[in-house]
Amino acid sequence: EPEVTQTPSHQVTQMGQEVILRCVPISNHLYFYWYRQILGQKVEFLVSFYNNEISEKSEIFDDQFSVERPDGSNFTLKIRSTKLEDSAMYFCASRKFTGGEGEKLFFGSGTQLSVL
Amino acid sequence: QQQVKQSPQSLIVQKGGISIINCAYENTAFDYFPWYQQFPGKGPALLIAIRPDVSEKKEGRFTISFNKSAKQFSLHIMDSQPGDSATYFCAANHGGTGKLIFGQGTTLQVKP
Repeated sequence: EPEVTQTPSHQVTQMGQEVILRCVPISNHLYFYWYRQILGQKVEFLVSFYNNEISEKSEIFDDQFSVERPDGSNFTLKIRSTKLEDSAMYFCASRKFTGGEGEKLFFGSGTQLSVL
Repeated sequence: QQQVKQSPQSLIVQKGGISIINCAYENTAFDYFPWYQQFPGKGPALLIAIRPDVSEKKEGRFTISFNKSAKQFSLHIMDSQPGDSATYFCAANHGGTGKLIFGQGTTLQVKP
């Protein structure tokens, strides 16, 4: 079964450093997302991306965050200057289209980001 | 109004028993209600989903019951097995945006 692939699985960085989290969505999917989950808390929406632009973002997704689809297969989340509170599991997700079965959101296994 | 409230926070059930997890929402614009299962170190995986035009949906041992007037929905796991031990999240969405609002999660432990 096709799956969303995320790399790396773990990322440790120093506060103030830039990190890039990488994702390869399922190949025929059109909508891409980043979510995050702080340890022990619920999964939170960060941003959605369609047709090479952001379609919606949460209040968490401030100017320190950016997303990009640099080629036909990768989808990245960049955090420009990491803070301690950015430590979380970051999940990439994708779905095929809107409505019906296409509404199913498929999640990757996540990147655990630790900011020291 | 965007919140989805989930209970209980944790649940212990004996093998073969019924596990019941409840969620409530406020936003009447929500029109898609999925349940996700998450094992440690893994991403959430879609288990079953329902739309508000039906009151119940069953897939194998998993059933969603939906009460539109009460703005509540629940997940029932029949004949619970140790392999069902995981964290379960309810979620809600409207407009087919893929922006899911998740509940707080329920950690289920099924004892053999």
